[in-house]
Formats: sequence, structure tokens, C-alpha cells
Amino acid sequence: DAGITQSPRYKITETGRQVTLMCHQTWSHSYMFWYRQDLGHGLRLIYYSAAADITDKGEVPDGYVVSRSKTENFPLTLESATRSQTSVYFCASRLAVDYNEQFFGPGTRLTVL
Amino acid sequence: EDQVTQSPEALRLQEGESSSLNCSYTVSGLRGLFWYRQDPGKGPEFLFTLYSAGEEKEKERLKATLTKKESFLHITAPKPEDSATYLCAVQAGDSGYSTLTFGKGTMLLVSP
Repeated sequence: DAGITQSPRYKITETGRQVTLMCHQTWSHSYMFWYRQDLGHGLRLIYYSAAADITDKGEVPDGYVVSRSKTENFPLTLESATRSQTSVYFCASRLAVDYNEQFFGPGTRLTVL
Repeated sequence: EDQVTQSPEALRLQEGESSSLNCSYTVSGLRGLFWYRQDPGKGPEFLFTLYSAGEEKEKERLKATLTKKESFLHITAPKPEDSATYLCAVQAGDSGYSTLTFGKGTMLLVSP
């Protein structure tokens, strides 16, 4: 099915472990984004990408790494997970910089013990 | 720094009881104001984009309006299925790649 998918949907890990969250979109959108959503903070931008091999930091990038070797994929890696990274993570994509509709994936609920 | 404030944080309505949600913003060079709906356990779903003061958009029981400082999401005769969290976001002209800044949302509960 076309759209934006995230995997896994749920993940439990331990402090210090490396975790990678996957995001895949089938629309060939140029822009892709990673957000985290926490109670009291709303949606906060972690990293974004304007195209393959072009990435930039958002509001809360510390502790996260991204890559984008292919247009359709935008994985987010937590190099050494901490409890403060327990959150719901959303991936989103948009056709172009001035295109108004930004599509969100279903989210990944990550728990770091 | 772009700021978006939504009020109230939570709103409980009876079915058929109309009301409005508020989104006030402080940005330099507004390029667009967006409304999203988010159901529990799901990603936000796009509703509207507003570009300039005075603009209005409608979709079923929802109507979004925009002034130079705030936006309202009017809900007319709501139904229980309108229960969700409504998010407001702004896109500012001085951002390098025009990312969105989101408010914290208003959680709406419509009782039968």
C-alpha cells in the first residue's frame, strides 16, 4: 500500500543500547522529518531532510543520528538510548518546501528502561 | 523564535454544543498556519492550511479562520466522532527549510 510506514510500532529497550527506528514513504516526497511527542511538550522536531544525503538538525537533535541514502527511507538511530528518550516518535514527509500538506506515519512508541 | 500557543488545553462539550479552539502565534513572516487532527495512538492528520489574515476554510463541522495574531477552529454542532486532539502549527518565512512549529494541542471530548 502507498503511504508512510514506520517500524517497529512498539519497542522496549535498555539504557545504553543502540536503537534504529525505520521510516519508509512511497510518494517520492523530497522532505522527510522525525518528531518526538511527549506530554507537556507537543510535537518537537528532531531532524529533517530535504533530499537524499541532505539532513539538518531540528529543535532536539542531541542523542540522535539520521541518514538518508535513498529518497524513500529515513532511519532514526539512538546511538546509546537514555530514559529521557522514552517517547512516541513520528515520521512525516512533504512533497516540497512550500507544499502545505505534511503526512505523518502511525508512530513508534519507544520505551527505554 | 517562533511560538505557538493553543488554548484551552482540554475542552469537553456536549453533542451539538458549538465552540472554538484558539491558536495564537508569534512568528517572523508567516508562510502558513496549519491545523491537524490527532486520534489516540495515531499520527496527526492534515485538516487545513491558512495563508493570510481574513482567510477561512471549512470542512464538514469545522471552520478555520486566521487573523494576524491567531487562528480559531470553530466546531459547529459537534458529534462524538469529533473527539480528538487538534494541533496547530506555523510555517515561518525565515526558516531555512520552512519546518513547522507545533503548539501543544487542544484535547476535545464530545459527549453524547
